Amino acid sequence: AQKITQTQPGMFVQEKEAVTLDCTYDTSDQSYGLFWYKQPSSGEMIFLIYQGSYDEQNATEGRYSLNFQKARKSANLVISASQLGDSAMYFCAIKGSNTGKLIFGQGTTLQVKP
Amino acid sequence: ETGVTQSPTHLIKTRGQQVTLRCSSQSGHNTVSWYQQALGQGPQFIFQYYREEENGRGNFPPRFSGLQFPNYSSELNVNALELDDSALYLCASSVRGALYGYTFGSGTRLTVV
Repeated sequence: AQKITQTQPGMFVQEKEAVTLDCTYDTSDQSYGLFWYKQPSSGEMIFLIYQGSYDEQNATEGRYSLNFQKARKSANLVISASQLGDSAMYFCAIKGSNTGKLIFGQGTTLQVKP
Repeated sequence: ETGVTQSPTHLIKTRGQQVTLRCSSQSGHNTVSWYQQALGQGPQFIFQYYREEENGRGNFPPRFSGLQFPNYSSELNVNALELDDSALYLCASSVRGALYGYTFGSGTRLTVV
C-alpha cells in the first residue's frame, strides 16, 4: 500500500520569497515516482515536477525544485521567488511501478501575499 | 501534441439519475484513469482502462463504470446518483508501465441535487 502525508493544510508566503511545502510518503515498492501538482480554483491539475526513486539528483523545473530525501521518505516542494499566481492548492502524489494509479495527499493551500 | 480534454465542464443532475462523462486521451497515451475529488480533498482513484478493459479499481461501488474506445478515449458512467457523488471528476491519460507522464484534463464538476 502507498500513502502520502501532507501536514500543512495552509501556508502563507510573502511575494518574492521562497516557500517549502512538505510531503512524506510510504511505499513498499522499490521503483516509484513522486509528483507535485498545482490546482488553481478552476480545478485543472497542473503538473509541476517529477522525481523518480532512482534519480540521484533532486529534480528542478524553473522556480520549482524537489528536495528528495529517500531515507526519510520525504519529497518536499520548494518554490523560489513566489508570485501572486502561485496561490493555489498543491498536491503531492506517488505512483508505484506495479500500479497505474496515483495516490494523492490531502493537499496544501498556498496563499502568496503582495 | 493534443492534451487531455473532458466534457462537459459542469453538470447538474438530480439524485437517482444517471450521468456520462467523457475524456479524450493525450496523443501517444494508451491508458486512461478516472479520479473523484470531493471539495477540499485530494483526488481518489476510481479505475483505470487499458486496451478497452478495466485494469485496476479503487474503492468505488459497481454503479461507477467505464468504457475505453479504440482511439483510447474513455467514458465514466455513474448510475443511481447520490448527493455524495457531487465532486470534481478528473481524467488522466498515461502510457502503461511508465512512471512518468501522467496528464490530467480540466475536469468535470458534477453537482447532484
